Formats: sequence, structure tokens, C-alpha cells
Amino acid sequence: ETGVTQSPTHLIKTRGQQVTLRCSSQSGHNTVSWYQQALGQGPQFIFQYYREEENGRGNFPPRFSGLQFPNYSSELNVNALELDDSALYLCASSFRNYNEQFFGPGTRLTVL
Amino acid sequence: GQQVMQIPQYQHVQEGEDFTTYCNSSTTLSNIQWYKQRPGGHPVFLIQLVKSGEVKKQKRLTFQFGEAKKNSSLHITATQTTDVGTYFCGALSGNTGKLIFGQGTTLQVKP
Repeated sequence: ETGVTQSPTHLIKTRGQQVTLRCSSQSGHNTVSWYQQALGQGPQFIFQYYREEENGRGNFPPRFSGLQFPNYSSELNVNALELDDSALYLCASSFRNYNEQFFGPGTRLTVL
Repeated sequence: GQQVMQIPQYQHVQEGEDFTTYCNSSTTLSNIQWYKQRPGGHPVFLIQLVKSGEVKKQKRLTFQFGEAKKNSSLHITATQTTDVGTYFCGALSGNTGKLIFGQGTTLQVKP
């Protein structure tokens, strides 16, 4: 196991609602990245936080936002949920942005 | 934007046969990372390649980075049922932490 934890493990929401997903990074890591993985696809980069600042963003709309806290844990917030937001959301922690990433078990989000 | 193409999408082999997945980019890559994701699991880091022409081995797994740093491969010798899963390559984009993954190659191994 990597030491990266995510909560909740599963979540069901309806279209238009808002959701907050949480991630605790591995001890000693200062970087957290978030990914969206649709069924049968590779993980798609949402954004990365390095020392509490956003350090790169993928092709996701502004309703996807995030935070990193002083203890390097992180949140992913998604507003105005759409059906296509249904996916596995993975967070990954690393020591720097170019190092190997350690993934958490993910949060499975279903939007009805 | 930068794209990483991975082939094949699926591969079914008999236990003991070899397996190779390829990762290609139209642009030069600063590095390439390989991950394995078991069914129902999360990606697990396997290796990172940085240098042109680099070859690294992990037991039955051999990883290569092309001379032009535009392609990479993962070769598994004498597959075992424990090798089942999806193998992803990932490339870092620029100086940000944006890791772009290929579509993955799903390996099935028949005992």
C-alpha cells in the first residue's frame, strides 16, 4: 500500500449537485495530483498542487477546483455535476512534480 | 497539446509467452513513467526512464526509452497470471506536473 488515502470510496450524486473529494498524501510528499479515469480509459490529468499552489492544469472546466492544505492533503471540488463526471477520481502524491507518483485507491463517483 | 499513443489496446497471451506494449509521442519527451493497474485497482508506479536509449530491467520486465526520446516500450518475458492488468505509460508535459497517460494496454494471460 502507498499510504495515500482518499475519501469517500464511493459517492452517488445527482446532476447539478456539488461534490468534495479528499486526499491525504503520503508522509514526506509535498505534491498532489488529481486525475479522472473513465471506464476503460487512462487517467486524465485534472490539476496538480505543489506546496499549496496550483502547478499545472489539464483540460477541465473551472467548475473543477482544488485546494492543498499546509499538511499537503488536498481536496477536489466539482460544481454543477454532469452525467459525464461519473468516473473514478484518483489522487497521487509525490515528493516533487517530476518524481514517481503514488496513487490512492480512488473515489468512484456516480452522477445520476 | 502533447499526446501519447499506446499500442496495442488489448493483448491476450498464453502463460509463458512474451508480451510487449509500445508508447509513442510526436514530440520529444523529457521522461516516461510506466504504471500497472490491476482490475479494480489503482495505478502502481513501475519505473521512470529519463535518458535517451535507456534500458532498465526489473526481473522479467524490460523497459526501453528510444534514442530520440519519442517512444518507449515495456517487454515482459514469460508472462505469468500475476502479470494480468493494464499497463500505462505516462509522459510529463513541460515544467508542470502534468502527467499525460496513454490509453493503456490491457494484458490477459491464459493459464
